[in-house]
Amino acid sequence: DTAVSQTPKYLVTQMGNDKSIKCEQNLGHDTMYWYKQDSKKFLKIMFSYNNKELIINETVPNRFSPKSPDKAHLNLHINSLELGDSAVYFCASSQDQGGQQETQYFGPGTRLLVL
Amino acid sequence: GQSLEQPSEVTAVEGAIVQINCTYQTSGFYGLSWYQQHDGGAPTFLSYNALDGLEETGRFSSFLSRSDSYGYLLLQELQMKDSASYFCAGDDNYGQNFVFGPGTRLSVLP
Repeated sequence: DTAVSQTPKYLVTQMGNDKSIKCEQNLGHDTMYWYKQDSKKFLKIMFSYNNKELIINETVPNRFSPKSPDKAHLNLHINSLELGDSAVYFCASSQDQGGQQETQYFGPGTRLLVL
Repeated sequence: GQSLEQPSEVTAVEGAIVQINCTYQTSGFYGLSWYQQHDGGAPTFLSYNALDGLEETGRFSSFLSRSDSYGYLLLQELQMKDSASYFCAGDDNYGQNFVFGPGTRLSVLP
């Protein structure tokens, strides 16, 4: 069974389009994340979210918005796509144990190419 | 803010031992994690140090020194399949932010 799954695996689209990436985890975790990994493999957190709080990395443009229909899902919506949005986007989840760093479990990634 | 630094590349031969260092600047730090990522794959958790000292998990060990803001990942008996990128990661502000280092690309040669 896949612990953290993402769809689609590949996404090729034109500049200016709006797209969504879906993420689901079946681990019963409380917290989910979105990361962006660029061509130089820098891995940067975009959002972390649990049922209590959304934490946004202040460098993330407001064209990016997370949407969580329930605890097991955190989707990423991107409006007005730009060339610089091309990257691999990883979803991850962790158990909220409070007071300590939590192991994160990553999805397989979505490779986004904006033309 | 928080920052972590790692060497960009390390090369070693099969059977050897390699150490990947990580230095960090952060406040409100819980501990240091290490993740492995093969080309085309997702990061996977390797090890976590909350306390100073050495944690051993099979061929991999990880070390943390809070007083030196320094840690390392030690890989022993290197195998070709260990060729991957290795990221250190840590907290800032007691879990409010989670930051990955820039990654170290390890190449294991026959």
